[in-house]
Amino acid sequence: GAVVSQHPSWVICKSGTSVKIECRSLDFQATTMFWYRQFPKQSLMLMATSNEGSKATYEQGVEKDKFLINHASLTLSTLTVTSAHPEDSSFYICSATLRNTEAFFGQGTRLTVV
Amino acid sequence: GEDVEQSLFLSVREGDSSVINCTYTDSSSTYLYWYKQEPGAGLQLLTYIFSNMDMKQDQRLTVLLNKKDKHLSLRIADTQTGDSAIYFCAEIPASGTYKYIFGTGTRLKVLA
Repeated sequence: GAVVSQHPSWVICKSGTSVKIECRSLDFQATTMFWYRQFPKQSLMLMATSNEGSKATYEQGVEKDKFLINHASLTLSTLTVTSAHPEDSSFYICSATLRNTEAFFGQGTRLTVV
Repeated sequence: GEDVEQSLFLSVREGDSSVINCTYTDSSSTYLYWYKQEPGAGLQLLTYIFSNMDMKQDQRLTVLLNKKDKHLSLRIADTQTGDSAIYFCAEIPASGTYKYIFGTGTRLKVLA
């Protein structure tokens, strides 16, 4: 099946710094990529929808200036957590859709802000 | 709202069958999915069912769909310890945006 690679798998950063997470579709061109956030023992909450070459669409309550999404190509989307704080610590997962019927998920990135 | 609900926890003995239930909200959803998440990992698609189907079987997995009640279930036959994980159902509401709405997740624990 299609492969989505997320990098890094885990990252620890200091409070106030920015962190970039990459999401790549390795063997297909993704029409749309999605970014999710998952708190411990909770479900995945959609943060934003990203289409190549256009601005991301953010879900209600997600700060677009804090979570910057860039979707420069059909195989790469990046999520940058700016001025990270401990409450931003979470598991971030991306997905990419193929023909808008099935989403393939990255392995996730565990962000810890200290 | 768009709440997809699941029971939080299920414990079964190895070799028994597991049934994980899900209640979704959008009767117009075209596809319904089951994903598996192991600790610290991303999501693995297990199976999906198209909304015009009542049942789908794939090896040890059986999906039942009751559209009238908006109820989806996943049955795992001969459950193994390797099946221990969190299982999420998900729907794509017919709003045309193809963004998944995930259930709350069911943590399955298989006892040896």
